[in-house]
Amino acid sequence: GQNIDQPTEMTATEGAIVQINCTYQTSGFNGLFWYQQHAGEAPTFLSYNVLDGLEEKGRFSSFLSRSKGYSYLLLKELQMKDSASYLCAVRGGNTPLVFGKGTRLSVIA
Amino acid sequence: DAGITQSPRHKVTETGTPVTLRCHQTENHRYMYWYRQDPGHGLRLIHYSYGVKDTDKGEVSDGYSVSRSKTEDFLLTLESATSSQTSVYFCAISELANPHEQYFGPGTRLTVT
Repeated sequence: GQNIDQPTEMTATEGAIVQINCTYQTSGFNGLFWYQQHAGEAPTFLSYNVLDGLEEKGRFSSFLSRSKGYSYLLLKELQMKDSASYLCAVRGGNTPLVFGKGTRLSVIA
Repeated sequence: DAGITQSPRHKVTETGTPVTLRCHQTENHRYMYWYRQDPGHGLRLIHYSYGVKDTDKGEVSDGYSVSRSKTEDFLLTLESATSSQTSVYFCAISELANPHEQYFGPGTRLTVT
């Protein structure tokens, strides 16, 4: 089976940097995904990691350590519009994507 | 944005009635998925399809059935709706099972009274 853990809620200040962690346990590994979901909307794809290391995309970066079963999403220069839920999802050996319960991020002024 | 629509967007129904939700895509993607999203549970996979007439069960498939007779349409049926099936249902598509990301439809809010 697969198990994915991420914090339920986080709060950060506008302009700051926030790191959202995700730990996982899977049988096999075929990639880790991060999605953003604003309240009342559909999830949208943010990033994908399959090899160890950091992937950077503008203000957002995602890191993966396969040996530790660990990933984080780093958001820089936080803006109010970044207030959303961030979903970590993992694809195991030959199974569909499994999602964590999500981290609700509140950005305050 | 990927061309995915869901219908209806909102539905209220009574316990015991059958309900069918439709997902339609214009991207010609092979894989289609149905999820439900509930507070405290996150997104959970109900069923998925890897081609026309090819479907498989997900984590929470009990009480649900699916059909895919055309590449563009994936139907989710609640055979006899129960209050525990009150949820937001999302359809998603992907071009390949791995590693491409999934694109989500706008969601259907279903309330079973």
